[in-house]
Amino acid sequence: SQTIHQWPATLVQPVGSPLSLECTVEGTSNPNLYWYRQAAGRGLQLLFYSVGIGQISSEVPQNLSASRPQDRQFILSSKKLLLSDSGFYLCAWSDRGFLSYEQYFGPGTRLTVT
Amino acid sequence: AQSVAQPEDQVNVAEGNPLTVKCTYSVSGNPYLFWYVQYPNRGLQFLLKYITGDNLVKGSYGFEAEFNKSQTSFHLKKPSALVSDSALYFCAVRDSGYSTLTFGKGTMLLVSP
Repeated sequence: SQTIHQWPATLVQPVGSPLSLECTVEGTSNPNLYWYRQAAGRGLQLLFYSVGIGQISSEVPQNLSASRPQDRQFILSSKKLLLSDSGFYLCAWSDRGFLSYEQYFGPGTRLTVT
Repeated sequence: AQSVAQPEDQVNVAEGNPLTVKCTYSVSGNPYLFWYVQYPNRGLQFLLKYITGDNLVKGSYGFEAEFNKSQTSFHLKKPSALVSDSALYFCAVRDSGYSTLTFGKGTMLLVSP
């Protein structure tokens, strides 16, 4: 069966510091990968998605970036965090099969920028 | 463009009563529709999906949803609510011409004992 991991689970970082969040998927090959942010409240905002190694699409301009160095690894980064970067970051994967459009989410990383 | 609306911020229901969480969508092509549930400080869990076929879709934990093309709706239902169903519920849509999902803002379901 497939599993998705995210780490760290929680993170407290000062404004201006760098960020690296990691997501890995097990039990599947060539997944589509996604990064979302859920701000206080509830809405989900798609940040980045990737359909293959080195292929990243950005949905929202911001000071964040994403990379996919390996097939099942997706990294969210920032060189300098802003207060507004605080939130709950969720990684998700989906299969590329014709009818498998649903996404499966990781446990999330709670980021607090102070 | 694709969009989804969840008109209720919160739904309150007594345990044992039926529940409905509403969702309407807008797409230009054929809709692919999904429901997810989120418990506090957790990721989203997939409940069910409609891609094609029967308008009534059954999913996990006794939930079901009815696709209504004329009303562009995909309401989530359960015949008998449990206190443990209390959580945040998200509807999501994907237009057949798009590669990403658009999520609603979520509806908090509170089931009282």
